[in-house]
Amino acid sequence: EVQLVESGGGLVQPGGSLRLSCAASGFIFSNYWMSWVRQAPGKGLEWVAHVRQDEGEKYYVDSVKGRFTISRDNAKNSLYLQMNSLRVDDTSVYYCARVPGSSQATFDVWGQGTMVTVSS
Amino acid sequence: EIVMTQSPATLSVSPGERATLSCRASQSVTYKLAWYQQKPGQAPRLLIYDASTRATGIPARFSGSGSGTEFTLTISSLQSEDFAVYHCQHYYNWPPFTFGGGTKVEIK
Repeated sequence: EVQLVESGGGLVQPGGSLRLSCAASGFIFSNYWMSWVRQAPGKGLEWVAHVRQDEGEKYYVDSVKGRFTISRDNAKNSLYLQMNSLRVDDTSVYYCARVPGSSQATFDVWGQGTMVTVSS
Repeated sequence: EIVMTQSPATLSVSPGERATLSCRASQSVTYKLAWYQQKPGQAPRLLIYDASTRATGIPARFSGSGSGTEFTLTISSLQSEDFAVYHCQHYYNWPPFTFGGGTKVEIK
């Protein structure tokens, strides 16, 4: 079964850091681009970051550039999101998602999400 | 950045009726448009990609059309499990990828 499982969310104070993880199974992880997508409570979806199979290309939404870092470990079938200098408006459910290809850059497999709450 | 606008925000439909959802792009995205379904407390699910191609396992009652800046998702005969929020997303000239604000399909 193709599966993505996120972990690492929680409550953090403004200015703090958190590292999210996403464990992949049921497919050849190293063959796929991967992304993080977030959703603030009661709001729509927002793409956050995107990484190529070999980490040779990484992209971020402007609001997280310089604060968040996407990475992956293909040997461990894992995707990560290091989040620093967190702000209240980063509060969201964070999903990891598989991307079928650079030409079909949709999100065809999603994890269940992990909640990040930034509050004092 | 390409802005995606969905309408209406909420659509009230009776079971068995047809639902038509719209998504507009601020500039042409050619055919590079996807639709997702999201139920409360769940992750989104890919329904349609390349504007009109159903993803694996998606029932034939879901269909997508359009190109350029105007797109439509049609659910031909609403089933109880189809009441959800639907999001569109472009993947033309990324990054960034952007989503529409969503359309909630509710029971009339």
